[in-house]
Amino acid sequence: NAGVTQTPKFRVLKTGQSMTLLCAQDMNHEYMYWYRQDPGMGLRLIHYSVGEGTTAKGEVPDGYNVSRLKKQNFLLGLESAAPSQTSVYFCASSYVGSGTYQETQYFGPGTRLLVL
Amino acid sequence: DAKTTQPNSMESNEEEPVHLPCNHSTISGTDYIHWYRQLPSQGPEYVIHGLTSNVNNRMASLAIAEDRKSSTLILHRATLRDAAVYYCILRGGYGGATNKLIFGTGTLLAVQP
Repeated sequence: NAGVTQTPKFRVLKTGQSMTLLCAQDMNHEYMYWYRQDPGMGLRLIHYSVGEGTTAKGEVPDGYNVSRLKKQNFLLGLESAAPSQTSVYFCASSYVGSGTYQETQYFGPGTRLLVL
Repeated sequence: DAKTTQPNSMESNEEEPVHLPCNHSTISGTDYIHWYRQLPSQGPEYVIHGLTSNVNNRMASLAIAEDRKSSTLILHRATLRDAAVYYCILRGGYGGATNKLIFGTGTLLAVQP
């Protein structure tokens, strides 16, 4: 049971390049999330998904797109990278239980992205 | 979402108890209090959560004030591995909930040997 995994671990992009970050979970969780964390700050929610084929915007969605074609995978895309998107990106997942405000989230190890 | 207030940093000695405070004066009746922590260069991990009663698990204890306007995360014997940023987060029942976590800047706990 690997939990939540993220690919790649580290990437350097030039301004204007595109890339996709992959998140995979093997816990059969319904909900998945993408966060970003900038130095000295807490995590901010970019996009999330409450099930296969569904996505929704979080706090800071601009410049990102997501897709959830399979339940176990959640992809985060940057169509045209900008230096402001230099950050550490964390994926998380959670199980939908009877009281969702009690549910815990399980986080991946993060992807460090540097946009030059 | 209701807001929480935590000290920016705290220091503790190894093998001593640590009390990490959190104020949440605008908490609503259905808000759960969650704690996560983030070890250096890792993703956050769940620590504990509670609603009204004090809670214990293998990692920590959560003491909730009677009026629920504040809570305290207690690490009974701090170890060097407990050095991390600790986040206090309120989670409400949204009904059709999105299960979102709203992170603040947390408390950076330093543990001295």
